[in-house]
Amino acid sequence: AQSVTQPDIHITVSEGASLELRCNYSYGATPYLFWYVQSPGQGLQLLLKYFSGDTLVQGIKGFEAEFKRSQSSFNLRKPSVHWSDAAEYFCAVGRISGGSYIPTFGRGTSLIVHP
Amino acid sequence: DGGITQSPKYLFRKEGQNVTLSCEQNLNHDAMYWYRQDPGQGLRLIYYSQIVNDFQKGDIAEGYSVSREKKESFPLTVTSAQKNPTAFYLCASSPTGSVIETQYFGPGTRLLVL
Repeated sequence: AQSVTQPDIHITVSEGASLELRCNYSYGATPYLFWYVQSPGQGLQLLLKYFSGDTLVQGIKGFEAEFKRSQSSFNLRKPSVHWSDAAEYFCAVGRISGGSYIPTFGRGTSLIVHP
Repeated sequence: DGGITQSPKYLFRKEGQNVTLSCEQNLNHDAMYWYRQDPGQGLRLIYYSQIVNDFQKGDIAEGYSVSREKKESFPLTVTSAQKNPTAFYLCASSPTGSVIETQYFGPGTRLLVL
């Protein structure tokens, strides 16, 4: 069965520091991978997605992610974090079931940014 | 502006009562989804619909029901059979339901049981 693991429940960084959020997936075929961000009490917004091709994907707000098939990982990175990046981050894998698209989300990582 | 609206923002349910959460989109999307979010558990899929008058159960459909009579509307009913309904409910849509598409989310409804 498809699954997504985000091993870190909370991550704390200082403003201006670099960031890496981890995501590991379990999926038999070529995965379709996503990162979403959620501000408190709000819906989710897509940061970036990977389907094929270049394994380094650029997204919005200065985020990037790298797909590593050998490690079954799709970690999210940002070189310099801003206070406004404090939010919940979700990794997701898209799976096909009965001809329909079923997304599976990880449990999320909460990012705390210190000034 | 195009987007997804959910109402109400907060909803209170009494024991044994059914409540309906509204989800409307003006993005002309075919596919719509309902998720439940609990602290530390991420999002779990309740129901989804790829076309009007058709919908499929997700991973946690028990105690919930939906309808899709109009393309722009996908209301979710939390029935009295759902024993632990307190959660944050998110509605989403995508153009056709293809796996490569972005899902667009509404602002959510927080349901509380009195």
